[in-house]
Amino acid sequence: NAGVTQTPKFRVLKTGQSMTLLCAQDMNHEYMYWYRQDPGMGLRLIHYSVGEGTTAKGEVPDGYNVSRLKKQNFLLGLESAAPSQTSVYFCASSYSLEKGITEAFFGQGTRLTVV
Amino acid sequence: DQQVKQNSPSLSVQEGRISILNCDYTNSMFDYFLWYKKYPAEGPTFLISISSIKDKNEDGRFTVFLNKSAKHLSLHIVPSQPGDSAVYFCAASAFDNDMRFGAGTRLTVKP
Repeated sequence: NAGVTQTPKFRVLKTGQSMTLLCAQDMNHEYMYWYRQDPGMGLRLIHYSVGEGTTAKGEVPDGYNVSRLKKQNFLLGLESAAPSQTSVYFCASSYSLEKGITEAFFGQGTRLTVV
Repeated sequence: DQQVKQNSPSLSVQEGRISILNCDYTNSMFDYFLWYKKYPAEGPTFLISISSIKDKNEDGRFTVFLNKSAKHLSLHIVPSQPGDSAVYFCAASAFDNDMRFGAGTRLTVKP
């Protein structure tokens, strides 16, 4: 049972480069999230999705785009990377509140460095 | 705006004593509150949750208390063990499951 899998685990980008982070979950969860973790800032929500084909902005969406073409996958894109986007990125997924189960399961994280 | 706040960056307690971690929130629309535990180089893992219709939820050594009027919740760990040493995040979820996290509190349990 893989749970939530993030690809890649590590990446170094040059300023201005683009990349896509992939998140895959095998628990048939409706909701998926992308967070970034920075020292002293905790986990800040970038974008989230409440179902296939839907996305919404979180607290810090600028500079990122997302897509949820398939229920099990949630992609996070950086079109033109900036040093301020150096962070650890976490993907998470959960059932919808309608099912009464709200805990989210997290991936192992992607450490991104933009130089 | 930070809707979930953990004002204590760190806490140190002796093994066997009680650990109390605090969390405050500003959004009265939050329906569920959760605590997550995080070890270095790993993703957060769920610890315990509470619905806004309750004021207490207990699971073994872990108890979460919710004071809606004060917009405050706390996590009690009794007795604390060295393996509990980790960063603890408070999180809150609104009806559309937009889940927000606090900055975290690093708990150190000394043997």
